[in-house]
Amino acid sequence: GAVVSQHPSWVICKSGTSVKIECRSLDFQATTMFWYRQFPKQSLMLMATSNEGSKATYEQGVEKDKFLINHASLTLSTLTVTSAHPEDSSFYICSAREANFHEQYFGPGTRLTVT
Amino acid sequence: GENVEQHPSTLSVQEGDSAVIKCTYSDSASNYFPWYKQELGKGPQLIIDIRSNVGEKKDQRIAVTLNKTAKHFSLHITETQPEDSAVYFCAAPGDNYGQNFVFGPGTRLSVLP
Repeated sequence: GAVVSQHPSWVICKSGTSVKIECRSLDFQATTMFWYRQFPKQSLMLMATSNEGSKATYEQGVEKDKFLINHASLTLSTLTVTSAHPEDSSFYICSAREANFHEQYFGPGTRLTVT
Repeated sequence: GENVEQHPSTLSVQEGDSAVIKCTYSDSASNYFPWYKQELGKGPQLIIDIRSNVGEKKDQRIAVTLNKTAKHFSLHITETQPEDSAVYFCAAPGDNYGQNFVFGPGTRLSVLP
């Protein structure tokens, strides 16, 4: 149980284009989902927290107009990187949490490369 | 806000030996402490967690101990195997009513055959 999937697992896009990453909880209802960014050999950096049906809460320094997050259902959240630039290249990971439970379960991550 | 420190940053052990990774946290109200294992190119995997109402939890070769007074918790891996080689992250509840986690900087464990 507690499986989270992400799609795509890797994506290459050109500078100036947008890319969407999907995060799905496969066997539980994710009332809260989180989006992280991870640079090589570094820890996970929380970008935003989203509760189903509500607007996402962004961490300080994260541009909400650049990183659009939608959590329209209890099993799906999406992260759209708009007008991507090479500095947005990173490993993006989502996690999901069920109401009244502490545990967070992570997806396998999406490697984004902007050329 | 919560601050989590983790030591050591790298750890090499011989196969069959034990490995211990320690984390400290700053918020005495924190009540849940997970440990994650991350293999190269993959997402973190929850391997064990502990709540503040217990001092120790064990799952086969993995155990976690918690000292609330000193505000530290440790991951213990016994009889290490090469497949235990990975980066391990500890975490503690952050702001936002504890919904999110604050992660430690990670420990790169290498188990040498």
